[in-house]
Amino acid sequence: GENVEQHPSTLSVQEGDSAVIKCTYSDSASNYFPWYKQELGKGPQLIIDIRSNVGEKKDQRIAVTLNKTAKHFSLHITETQPEDSAVYFCAASGRSNYQLIWGAGTKLIIKP
Amino acid sequence: ETGVTQSPTHLIKTRGQQVTLRCSSQSGHNTVSWYQQALGQGPQFIFQYYREEENGRGNFPPRFSGLQFPNYSSELNVNALELDDSALYLCASSPSGSRDEQFFGPGTRLTVL
Repeated sequence: GENVEQHPSTLSVQEGDSAVIKCTYSDSASNYFPWYKQELGKGPQLIIDIRSNVGEKKDQRIAVTLNKTAKHFSLHITETQPEDSAVYFCAASGRSNYQLIWGAGTKLIIKP
Repeated sequence: ETGVTQSPTHLIKTRGQQVTLRCSSQSGHNTVSWYQQALGQGPQFIFQYYREEENGRGNFPPRFSGLQFPNYSSELNVNALELDDSALYLCASSPSGSRDEQFFGPGTRLTVL
């Protein structure tokens, strides 16, 4: 079936350093790849997304890259700040009905 | 612009009972999706409603059912609650031109005892 694998499960970086989270998807028909940030006790917040006709997208300190051939996509956060600490989820569109298939999440810890 | 809202915030039920969760979509959005998120896991797709019709369903039994109303708000109903139904239930709304872009509410935390 359709699935999305996400690594690492936990990532600890020094404040100011960069963080990279990687995902792999299984369905070659997937064409939409959002990233969500979820803070404790809150719903997921869409932070950036990319469609399959684009290889890279950037929004201030956040960027996403997509390699369709390898079915990989990654989230890059530069100049990390304490408020970046959260759980980050990648997702990929499913084969039908606009459902999203989610990774298991990465807990990002920013050390002061 | 008002975002997605959900009610109630928390709910405690006992096994075998029924529950109704409510969601108001973001202004201008006509599609609502429901997800179940167990502790420490990613959300799992339950179903999606578009223009008051179910538009796809995940791997959930029929005791999970839903409705969408003319104002695009939605309900998730769960009958015969089981202990494993304890989870965060998330509602997401999408604009008509981009139904895979999903914007989430804060969720309802359901505990089944």
